[in-house]
Amino acid sequence: EVQLVESGGGLVKPGGSLRLSCAASGITFSNAWMTWVRQFPGKGLEWVGRIKSKSDGGTTDIASPVKDRFTISRDDSKNTLYLQMNSLKTEDTAVYYCTTHSGWGYSDYWGRGTLVTVSS
Amino acid sequence: QSALTQPPSASGSLGQSVTISCTGTSSDVGGYNYVFWYQQLPGKAPKLMIYDVSMRPSGVPDRFSGSKSGNMASLTVSGLQAEDEADYYCSSYAGSTTWVFGGGTKLTVL
Repeated sequence: EVQLVESGGGLVKPGGSLRLSCAASGITFSNAWMTWVRQFPGKGLEWVGRIKSKSDGGTTDIASPVKDRFTISRDDSKNTLYLQMNSLKTEDTAVYYCTTHSGWGYSDYWGRGTLVTVSS
Repeated sequence: QSALTQPPSASGSLGQSVTISCTGTSSDVGGYNYVFWYQQLPGKAPKLMIYDVSMRPSGVPDRFSGSKSGNMASLTVSGLQAEDEADYYCSSYAGSTTWVFGGGTKLTVL
């Protein structure tokens, strides 16, 4: 059974930083392309970014609204995906989901999400 | 403001069919056959229901079907059941290694 478990969310002040983690099991993580998707309090979803497997180059693509502030990385030895978020803004408040990336970008497995609240 | 436009709500009676639209542009929905649909039950993470416009993942009932014409994609739920009541989101590849979502449609089963 595929399991994705996010952690690291919480309350942070504007301008602060946070690192989210996503522990994966039930998949060959080293071969997986992974994605972060966020869901705003009003319920809209937004693609945040993707990282390829190391065998496919390990490169990342990040959405324009967060491109200069967010970084995606992975540790295949720990089966863990990361999202480093810097210079956080109130509009970054959302539930952040870790997902697998398949085909031309659909997310076939999702974690339960972790809530990030940016507020003073 | 979401990149893809969905009606905020839709409804249908038990056993009937309902179609949810997802309107984009030639840069996303109209430009690629990579439209996806997700179902989100209250308090749960989204679940993939349709990929590549009309393909169903294993385990998704064949009551769910997807289609596309021009810049608009559609999700049809036939034989509505109470458990189909949920939020539905469309998503599309938008070129340059980016993906976009719709704002979501709340489906109510009457």
